[in-house]
Amino acid sequence: DIQLTQSPSFLSASVGDRVTITCRASQGISSYLAWYQQKPGKAPKLLIYAASTLQSGVPSRFSGSGSGTEFTLTISSLQPEDFATYYCQQLNSYPWSYTFGQGTKLEIK
Amino acid sequence: EVQLVESGGGLVQPGGSLRLSCAASGFTFSSYWMSWVRQAPGKGLEWVANIKQDGSEKYYVDSVKGRFTISRDNAKNSLYLQMNSLRAEDTAVYYCARSSVGEDTWDYWGQGTLVTVSS
Repeated sequence: DIQLTQSPSFLSASVGDRVTITCRASQGISSYLAWYQQKPGKAPKLLIYAASTLQSGVPSRFSGSGSGTEFTLTISSLQPEDFATYYCQQLNSYPWSYTFGQGTKLEIK
Repeated sequence: EVQLVESGGGLVQPGGSLRLSCAASGFTFSSYWMSWVRQAPGKGLEWVANIKQDGSEKYYVDSVKGRFTISRDNAKNSLYLQMNSLRAEDTAVYYCARSSVGEDTWDYWGQGTLVTVSS
């Protein structure tokens, strides 16, 4: 199975900072790479799908890029509501299964 | 407005059974793949199972194969997860999620229901 490794696992940043989270796949994957945001006690929220497509209603300060084995989520200017845990996720088409990265917790500095 | 509301969680002894339900509204339920995704306390997300629109295809994570069964009732706009032979490691919040049109992500999630397996 393809594994997803996020880095860093923890990130401390300030409001207004630009931050980047990386997701590396153990082997090349298609563009089926998504990013979610999860706040404590809440369900995950889809931010980005197909590696770089912004989900409807998600602020434009979020962006995604990458292909092959390396993908990134960038927040261009952190807002107070962005402090959360972020997960990458991909679909394995054969055998059909889904994999998540271990998560990146973004904390206020 | 799309809504997914899970129910059925609770405390169960190891080896016991539990049936989770997810009531869907605000969209044409029969047109979407649906999934269960879980999250153990303080841990990351893990996909559990998913089911095709008409129930003809079902997929499971290896750790629950033979113990969990996903099903749906399109007439009742409901998704289910029958969990048997429960283990301590099944303790988690279980989320019902709607697959996106491409089936590769989940665009709507329920609030989750907590399953605790303990004696």
